[in-house]
Amino acid sequence: GAVVSQHPSRVICKSGTSVKIECRSLDFQATTMFWYRQFPKQSLMLMATSNEGSKATYEQGVEKDKFLINHASLTLSTLTVTSAHPEDSSFYICSASNGTSASGANVLTFGAGSRLTVL
Amino acid sequence: GQNIDQPTEMTATEGAIVQINCTYQTSGFNGLFWYQQHAGEAPTFLSYNVLDGLEEKGRFSSFLSRSKGYSYLLLKELQMKDSASYLCAVRDSNYQLIWGAGTKLIIKP
Repeated sequence: GAVVSQHPSRVICKSGTSVKIECRSLDFQATTMFWYRQFPKQSLMLMATSNEGSKATYEQGVEKDKFLINHASLTLSTLTVTSAHPEDSSFYICSASNGTSASGANVLTFGAGSRLTVL
Repeated sequence: GQNIDQPTEMTATEGAIVQINCTYQTSGFNGLFWYQQHAGEAPTFLSYNVLDGLEEKGRFSSFLSRSKGYSYLLLKELQMKDSASYLCAVRDSNYQLIWGAGTKLIIKP
């Protein structure tokens, strides 16, 4: 089945520093990847849609200069949290689809998530 | 606005059956998904419904009524490992996924 690898799983950084999170589709090519953010006991919040070879599409209220997304290849998308602050501490999850199944589901496969703690 | 409603938390007993409901109001409908998410982990796909009716997959079944904007996830023969959050998500007319806040299911021995 489709596998999405996300790294690092946990990261602690100081306020003001930048953190890069990688998302790789291991056994399929993903022209589109999605970046989500999840606060404790809350739902997934879509931050942006990452498109290979073009600029990401950001959801309303998400600062594109703060959350830099680069989708340089069909198997890799990166999210960089720039000048991180404690309020950026959250669980960040990437996902991708390896295409529409016979049922038309176009199921998303999620990475394992990255828990960011900004001190 | 678009909205997905599901109970915040449910408790059930090992070996029993539990039904988790989801109601939705979205701009268009192109399928409903159920995902399971264990604490601190990423969601994993459970089921997909696009037509009315019941989809059965082992111990898990999912039902959809598009006219009522309603779905449920039915878990049978509950096991302790089923303790997790269950997320309902609807794909709208723009093929965007709208996520519910999730239902935390607690299984007791």
